[in-house]
Amino acid sequence: DVKVTQSSRYLVKRTGEKVFLECVQDMDHENMFWYRQDPGLGLRLIYFSYDVKMKEKGDIPEGYSVSREKKERFSLILESASTNQTSMYLCASSLFAPVLGYNEQFFGPGTRLTVL
Amino acid sequence: SQQGEEDPQALSIQEGENATMNCSYKTSINNLQWYRQNSGRGLVHLILIRSNEREKHSGRLRVTLDTSKKSSSLLITASRAADTASYFCATVNNQGGKLIFGQGTELSVKP
Repeated sequence: DVKVTQSSRYLVKRTGEKVFLECVQDMDHENMFWYRQDPGLGLRLIYFSYDVKMKEKGDIPEGYSVSREKKERFSLILESASTNQTSMYLCASSLFAPVLGYNEQFFGPGTRLTVL
Repeated sequence: SQQGEEDPQALSIQEGENATMNCSYKTSINNLQWYRQNSGRGLVHLILIRSNEREKHSGRLRVTLDTSKKSSSLLITASRAADTASYFCATVNNQGGKLIFGQGTELSVKP
């Protein structure tokens, strides 16, 4: 079974703190994604990566950065957390294909981040 | 936007009944995917249907795709209390290829 794990289920941080969210997948997938999910707004893509050290902006990259030093690990970084970044963060992975969304995505359990 | 829009937003049925959820989208797609999300958890992929397919089955799930109407439906037969969850459709086009999620249908199956 594909397994995508996220470092924390719940996280509480203070405004201005630097926050790291880690995601690890064990199926050798090339593509990895970070989404945030908010009531009424659905899932929105923050960043994705299709290879080690490669990253592409999604629809809402402002205030976030990412790092992919190893194939299995994709980190989301909030450089200076703000209250409007309080959200559920979901990581996903998929096999590479010429069309990014050609294959199903496998999601982690999510990290519910609260920024005070 | 080619965002999928699910209908209804919420659905409440009794165990054993069938549940039907619909998804409409706006532009041509490469494929359409359905996901389930249990409360406060990650999404689980249910089924993927490509633009040249019209129907797919997986266990108690049946998905149809009508590209002329730009719509899809997800049917869950003989529902169980464990099917209670939010169900999302997500579409993929051939340009860029990002998954675009709809707002979801909240299904409640009462025992």
